[in-house]
Amino acid sequence: DGGITQSPKYLFRKEGQNVTLSCEQNLNHDAMYWYRQDPGQGLRLIYYSQIVNDFQKGDIAEGYSVSREKKESFPLTVTSAQKNPTAFYLCASSITAALAGNQPQHFGDGTRLSIL
Amino acid sequence: GESVGLHLPTLSVQEGDNSIINCAYSNSASDYFIWYKQESGKGPQFIIDIRSNMDKRQGQRVTVLLNKTVKHLSLQIAATQPGDSAVYFCAESPYLRGYNKLIFGAGTRLAVHP
Repeated sequence: DGGITQSPKYLFRKEGQNVTLSCEQNLNHDAMYWYRQDPGQGLRLIYYSQIVNDFQKGDIAEGYSVSREKKESFPLTVTSAQKNPTAFYLCASSITAALAGNQPQHFGDGTRLSIL
Repeated sequence: GESVGLHLPTLSVQEGDNSIINCAYSNSASDYFIWYKQESGKGPQFIIDIRSNMDKRQGQRVTVLLNKTVKHLSLQIAATQPGDSAVYFCAESPYLRGYNKLIFGAGTRLAVHP
């Protein structure tokens, strides 16, 4: 089945540690996104990438980094600079709007990150 | 379980009734709108979308209504079932230089009672 796979489902971070969340898609989508979701809130955009080897900061990029070396993969690193990393992290992908106008984003099932 | 949805507004309905979930959007430049369903511990699942040149769009048991005059969006679910219990998010999208930006609302919890 085509879809978006996020791993791990649960992740724990020690103080001062960087951790990397994996996101892989086999939908052949050019655009990929990372969101953060806190309890009782909607999704906030961290980073997005419209094409391989290019990515842009979203609304809350501080303390996070990404790479986009392959079309299928868009890993997110939560660095030690992110002082409040406990949240549910969601990865999404879509057809590029430049090709097809606005399109829905399709989501993975998330990674829950907690502080030890 | 998943803590998403704490402190959200809740709509409680009886099984078999119709549900209406409302959303006010903020950006007059938004021309594309989506409804997502999120179950506990899962990612948002696409339900239905609508473009600004339409007022209404129907899917299987769901209807989305768009009122651009008052910037209001609603999701109607017919014959609500226990499996419809989830948090529902609306999202608006202003078209920005080819980037498909989505702005999410805070969500509404739908609780279906037998």
